[in-house]
Amino acid sequence: EAGVTQFPSHSVIEKGQTVTLRCDPISGHDNLYWYRRVMGKEIKFLLHFVKESKQDESGMPNNRFLAERTGGTYSTLKVQPAELEDSGVYFCASSQFPRGHEAFFGQGTRLTVV
Amino acid sequence: DQQVKQNSPSLSVQEGRISILNCDYTNSMFDYFLWYKKYPAEGPTFLISISSIKDKNEDGRFTVFLNKSAKHLSLHIVPSQPGDSAVYFCAASKGAAGNKLTFGGGTRVLVKP
Repeated sequence: EAGVTQFPSHSVIEKGQTVTLRCDPISGHDNLYWYRRVMGKEIKFLLHFVKESKQDESGMPNNRFLAERTGGTYSTLKVQPAELEDSGVYFCASSQFPRGHEAFFGQGTRLTVV
Repeated sequence: DQQVKQNSPSLSVQEGRISILNCDYTNSMFDYFLWYKKYPAEGPTFLISISSIKDKNEDGRFTVFLNKSAKHLSLHIVPSQPGDSAVYFCAASKGAAGNKLTFGGGTRVLVKP
């Protein structure tokens, strides 16, 4: 069974540009999450989809961030326009309700805004 | 405010000895706790978890202890192996399965051969 896949693995963009991150969850997982780790600190929650609906977006830092989940399958996270403080590693995770609290993480996308 | 804290950023231990990682939380609504392990350039991998109705959960070399009154949990790895060298994150959730995880800052463990 394929795990959570994220693309790209790295992205370097200039301040003011737009970047779109993609996440393919484990097949059949209804729950999809986005997290971010900045400067080697704690991993912080951004938002949570249940199928195609946003269940919790309390962690989204501002309206420059837009997440979508098309048809309840893959998800994209767009940052527009990117700022320097958006640099970090963006993790996607998925889990299947109602089994377990643990989420399965992708390898992350390292975003560097210069 | 950080609701989950790992106050030791790093830990060095000799192979074969016990590694003890600590985690404190402030939100009494948390009712499920997890430990994740992370290697460089990889995503966190689930290791072990514990519900708030228990005080201990064991899985092979890994044991998690929960002290609700102190809002403290710990992860014991025994015996430690070089492959255990990684960053370990404590995480907590509240309510239904599937709710978001709140992470600590991580503890980097180095197991010396």
